[in-house]
Amino acid sequence: QVQLVESGGGVVQPGGSLRLSCAASGFTFSSYGMHWVRQAPGKGLEWVAFIRYDGSNKYYADSVKGRFTISRDNSKNTLYLQMNSLRAEDTAVYYCAKDRGTNSFDPWGQGTLVTVSS
Amino acid sequence: QSALTQPPSASGSPGQSVTISCTGTSSDVGGYNYVSWYQQYPGKAPKLMIYEVSKRPSGVPDRFSGSKSGNTASLTVSGLQAEDEADYYCSSYAGSLWVFGGGTKLTVL
Repeated sequence: QVQLVESGGGVVQPGGSLRLSCAASGFTFSSYGMHWVRQAPGKGLEWVAFIRYDGSNKYYADSVKGRFTISRDNSKNTLYLQMNSLRAEDTAVYYCAKDRGTNSFDPWGQGTLVTVSS
Repeated sequence: QSALTQPPSASGSPGQSVTISCTGTSSDVGGYNYVSWYQQYPGKAPKLMIYEVSKRPSGVPDRFSGSKSGNTASLTVSGLQAEDEADYYCSSYAGSLWVFGGGTKLTVL
């Protein structure tokens, strides 16, 4: 079955960096676009970034543009999110999600918590 | 990149129907037939319930249905059951970006 497993979350100081990973299995990873979506504690969902199946196009939310970079390694079935210049407002659970090909998110990983605090 | 507008809460008794609205603009909801809905239980990852406005993934009960009129999409849950109590989020493609609604907490009375 399709499975997405995030890792790399943790506590980081403001201004610091962190790289999240999302290991995919159960489907042909290289054929699908992938997203990162985050959810601040007690808040709603916020789309963060998308990468096309072949990495040729990447799109970002204004809130992270210039600070976050989405990438993928299709040979390792892994999606990444490099997060630089982190701010307190980036504190959230970060989910990776597969795009069905219909601009919808399915399935989602279990999420990894990023806490930005001094 | 403004969030879509959802009511913060909705409720209904078992067996009743409830409709949750999701209002956007002509740049998102009104401009594309790419509205999707997600169910989320506390502490769990979201689950896709509806995609492309009104299509249900396999395994989603047909009690869940979606529709759209202009810049407003709707999710209807018919025959409410206790397990439907959860948070629901709408999302729309908006041309090289995606936007979510603020979420609606559905309570089964």
